[in-house]
Amino acid sequence: QQPVQSPQAVILREGEDAVINCSSSKALYSVHWYRQKHGEAPVFLMILLKGGEQKGHDKISASFNEKKQQSSLYLTASQLSYSGTYFCGTEIVGSQGNLIFGKGTKLSVKP
Amino acid sequence: DSGVTQTPKHLITATGQRVTLRCSPRSGDLSVYWYQQSLDQGLQFLIQYYNGEERAKGNILERFSAQQFPDLHSELNLSSLELGDSALYFCASSATLNTEAFFGQGTRLTVV
Repeated sequence: QQPVQSPQAVILREGEDAVINCSSSKALYSVHWYRQKHGEAPVFLMILLKGGEQKGHDKISASFNEKKQQSSLYLTASQLSYSGTYFCGTEIVGSQGNLIFGKGTKLSVKP
Repeated sequence: DSGVTQTPKHLITATGQRVTLRCSPRSGDLSVYWYQQSLDQGLQFLIQYYNGEERAKGNILERFSAQQFPDLHSELNLSSLELGDSALYFCASSATLNTEAFFGQGTRLTVV
């Protein structure tokens, strides 16, 4: 049931763009995105619900392809503050409330 | 500050012992999640409670148990501790289902 994230890690220069993918083998009800900085708790970015899409922040957006059970997180014009590990969490149809996270994607933004 | 309070922040205990981790959710939040995060590992879902009832169970060992009390705070009990149980344990709360979850700062458990 654990979603699969790719890539596992990515290194960017400031101003570059990145895409992080999250896929599931089960029909998804929702996808949640969180960012965790080293030594800190995960922080909510956005939720994408079945049948809709929600943008949480400027320059950080996401899409949800229900047919493919996939979500992608887009980070544009990356800033140093974007560094951290990004987790997608998924709720499977019929198991709403059971939020399972992927293993994370470590993003490092260099000056 | 997410509004979720976890105590204690750090805990060092010996193998075979039992500990209790406490979580106070944000005011008004009905749902509480527990996660285990080991070094360089992702967030492993343990268990979820909603308004006092167990709603979902993940990869939680039989040595572990949890409950949510009428005032909505939750406790995670870990018994017969092993070295491999050393990890950061997060509690998260959300207002209802399918809404954003707010994470506490975690309890770092070290089993020696």
